[in-house]
Amino acid sequence: DGGITQSPKYLFRKEGQNVTLSCEQNLNHDAMYWYRQDPGQGLRLIYYSQIVNDFQKGDIAEGYSVSREKKESFPLTVTSAQKNPTAFYLCASSIGGSDTGELFFGEGSRLTVL
Amino acid sequence: KNEVEQSPQNLTAQEGEFITINCSYSVGISALHWLQQHPGGGIVSLFMLSSGKKKHGRLIATINIQEKHSSLHITASHPRDSAVYICAAISGATNKLIFGTGTLLAVQP
Repeated sequence: DGGITQSPKYLFRKEGQNVTLSCEQNLNHDAMYWYRQDPGQGLRLIYYSQIVNDFQKGDIAEGYSVSREKKESFPLTVTSAQKNPTAFYLCASSIGGSDTGELFFGEGSRLTVL
Repeated sequence: KNEVEQSPQNLTAQEGEFITINCSYSVGISALHWLQQHPGGGIVSLFMLSSGKKKHGRLIATINIQEKHSSLHITASHPRDSAVYICAAISGATNKLIFGTGTLLAVQP
């Protein structure tokens, strides 16, 4: 079945460590997105990519990095520079931009910094 | 004030009731998504609409561009409809999504 797979589902990190969240899609979508969800707030865009080898910062990119070396993969690294990394992270994809059709989301990754 | 506001924030209904969730936005948009977030966190897209009305099963979504308002209706609600419902407007200026904070729906048997 086509879809988006995020891993790990739960992740614990010590302060000062970088962690990488995986996002893989087999939908042949060009556009991929990373969002952060905090209690009581709407999803906020971290990074997005509309084509392989290209990505743009979203609204809260500081302390995060991404790569898009393959169409199906868009990993997110949460660096030690991110001041408040404990959150729920969601990866999404769409055929084109978010106005071109249905959005597909992964199941999310919950990161907790100890 | 958020650019996309949802109401109510929390909603409890009895099984079988007709449910309405509202979404108002203050920016120009090209379209709007309605999303459903399950208790485990995964999100499913329900509708994308730019005008009028769409129906899928017991779910109906409407949008009034002039009034900057959209509604999601659930007919004959069921406990399995319990979830967080999120509206996300596509900014006409930036093409980026602006998310509401969600409506937590609990349907009791």
